[in-house]
Amino acid sequence: SQQGEEDPQALSIQEGENATMNCSYKTSINNLQWYRQNSGRGLVHLILIRSNEREKHSGRLRVTLDTSKKSSSLLITASRAADTASYFCATDPPPGSRLTFGEGTQLTVNP
Amino acid sequence: GAVVSQHPSRVICKSGTSVKIECRSLDFQATTMFWYRQFPKQSLMLMATSNEGSKATYEQGVEKDKFLINHASLTLSTLTVTSAHPEDSSFYICSALTRAGGSYNEQFFGPGTRLTVL
Repeated sequence: SQQGEEDPQALSIQEGENATMNCSYKTSINNLQWYRQNSGRGLVHLILIRSNEREKHSGRLRVTLDTSKKSSSLLITASRAADTASYFCATDPPPGSRLTFGEGTQLTVNP
Repeated sequence: GAVVSQHPSRVICKSGTSVKIECRSLDFQATTMFWYRQFPKQSLMLMATSNEGSKATYEQGVEKDKFLINHASLTLSTLTVTSAHPEDSSFYICSALTRAGGSYNEQFFGPGTRLTVL
């Protein structure tokens, strides 16, 4: 069963605005990853944050992790139409490498 | 980054036939590969973990006799959907595991295979 829950399920914004997506999980984790998926395509790894990290940046992406609340957020700043995609969080609970994906957020950036 | 390919990218078959999907790690060796299934507008569901040279480990609820997995080499895993039915129509995605050091093992995903069973 899926461990992660994401909200919102769908988000529609205008180009240039920021987009924030949230992910909650239930068990302890080694790390949490965010992926992007364009319609009908495979997954692209965006960013990984380890359980002992609180915030991480990569270009226009900012990820936070709150292990006390078992939640993470992905912020995309200055969004572009090309950012339109589904975004999934995935957790890697100890001891191994099995990823559990959240339900995903469908982001639409309108030009 | 490491590249994972899948073949075919799209397949349409008749009900009752079997379909084989290949997953290859092109520039690295992968002792472990994973197979996921994704229905429209849903998340990825892990079906099985494929380890080179040993039997696959299936997730609860996944029929191992229906979804045959073979990981015969360090760069190739295959998923065969046997006696496919329309409810097996889905997007099948594989990933290959490479060790990036420490506690983090990075998975690289293939582009997926769209299976349609008529």
